[in-house]
Amino acid sequence: GENVEQHPSTLSVQEGDSAVIKCTYSDSASNYFPWYKQELGKRPQLIIDIRSNVGEKKDQRIAVTLNKTAKHFSLHITETQPEDSAVYFCAASWGVSGYSTLTFGKGTMLLVSP
Amino acid sequence: DVKVTQSSRYLVKRTGEKVFLECVQDMDHENMFWYRQDPGLGLRLIYFSYDVKMKEKGDIPEGYSVSREKKERFSLILESASTNQTSMYLCASSLPSEQYFGPGTRLTVT
Repeated sequence: GENVEQHPSTLSVQEGDSAVIKCTYSDSASNYFPWYKQELGKRPQLIIDIRSNVGEKKDQRIAVTLNKTAKHFSLHITETQPEDSAVYFCAASWGVSGYSTLTFGKGTMLLVSP
Repeated sequence: DVKVTQSSRYLVKRTGEKVFLECVQDMDHENMFWYRQDPGLGLRLIYFSYDVKMKEKGDIPEGYSVSREKKERFSLILESASTNQTSMYLCASSLPSEQYFGPGTRLTVT
């Protein structure tokens, strides 16, 4: 089955700095790569996703890049703010017959200090 | 707005009890999932269902079963709760891709 590795497990930055979280996946058939943000005590929520036919996607201060050859994808957050502090999960999936399951990385705790 | 709800936010049960966790979604999604979340281990898939009365094992199904009698409802059952099943349980529903999570049930087995 799919295996997703995520690094680093914790990341501390100063407000205004950039943050990068990296994930690798094992199954070359995976074609959908979402990123979820989970604030303390809350449910995970999708913040951005990318499909295998796209190399990069951007939404305001967040961007995701995908390298299919190397089987890795990364989340980039620019101009970090204290409210970006949360646990971030990457995931990978492949769709079969109308459904797909997600395999999650173990998460990165991002702490943004004012 | 997609709404996924879970029957309890906190639950305390004794070892050996039968435990039911319920999840309801209101968006007519075909697919529903149960995960457990443990510190340092991320989200691990227990079971999922892509249709009424259909179920598939995830990565860690041992000690759990599920039921999906109606499209909107997916139940996780712990037949005989054990202390190693103390965890946060998250339900999710989806169309083929994006998953929407419920608020979670923190289960403590003593």
